[in-house]
Amino acid sequence: KQEVTQIPAALSVPEGENLVLNCSFTDSAIYNLQWFRQDPGKGLTSLLLIQSSQREQTSGRLNASLDKSSGRSTLYIAASQPGDSATYLCAPHSNSGYALNFGKGTSLLVTP
Amino acid sequence: EAGVAQSPRYKIIEKRQSVAFWCNPISGHATLYWYQQILGQGPKLLIQFQNNGVVDDSQLPKDRFSAERLKGVDSTLKIQPAKLEDSAVYLCASSLLGPGFSESSGNTIYFGEGSWLTVV
Repeated sequence: KQEVTQIPAALSVPEGENLVLNCSFTDSAIYNLQWFRQDPGKGLTSLLLIQSSQREQTSGRLNASLDKSSGRSTLYIAASQPGDSATYLCAPHSNSGYALNFGKGTSLLVTP
Repeated sequence: EAGVAQSPRYKIIEKRQSVAFWCNPISGHATLYWYQQILGQGPKLLIQFQNNGVVDDSQLPKDRFSAERLKGVDSTLKIQPAKLEDSAVYLCASSLLGPGFSESSGNTIYFGEGSWLTVV
């Protein structure tokens, strides 16, 4: 069974800082990994999807990397803004199962 | 493009009562998922449909939960009878393609806003 761990569980940074969120997973047999953002009281918003054959994906100030063999992914947020405050969830899509497996997420607070 | 629609957004019921949630996926999406998210946890898959067939329902508590996807479009998730521990957000999601497809945009999974259930 795929186990997903996200570190840190919570993070508070001042506006403008660059930051890294970490995700590790136990089953490296995945065909993609998706990063989501969840605002309080809301559903999940897809940020980036990385195919298993890719090393990274970029969207604006966000860059996600994937090292499938070691079971790790990172989400890099450049020049953080208060609007980035949310919970960030990573979800590898395993070959053996069919659904996304989620960690508990990293709760991010960016202070002005 | 319209997103994944869910209703009702909020529901409060007493334990042992029943409740039903409805989901309309993005038009043309073959795969539909129901997830349960308890406060402070990541979402957990309850059931996955490919068109109108069930792909995975291994984590669905079948003694009280049921789900259907008639005609491969809309889906309904029912809980009967509800327990206090069923208090959670029920998230519906959809994707264009099914498992095993490698095309990037087709594998992106889109979530609805969720249906918030409180059992008292």
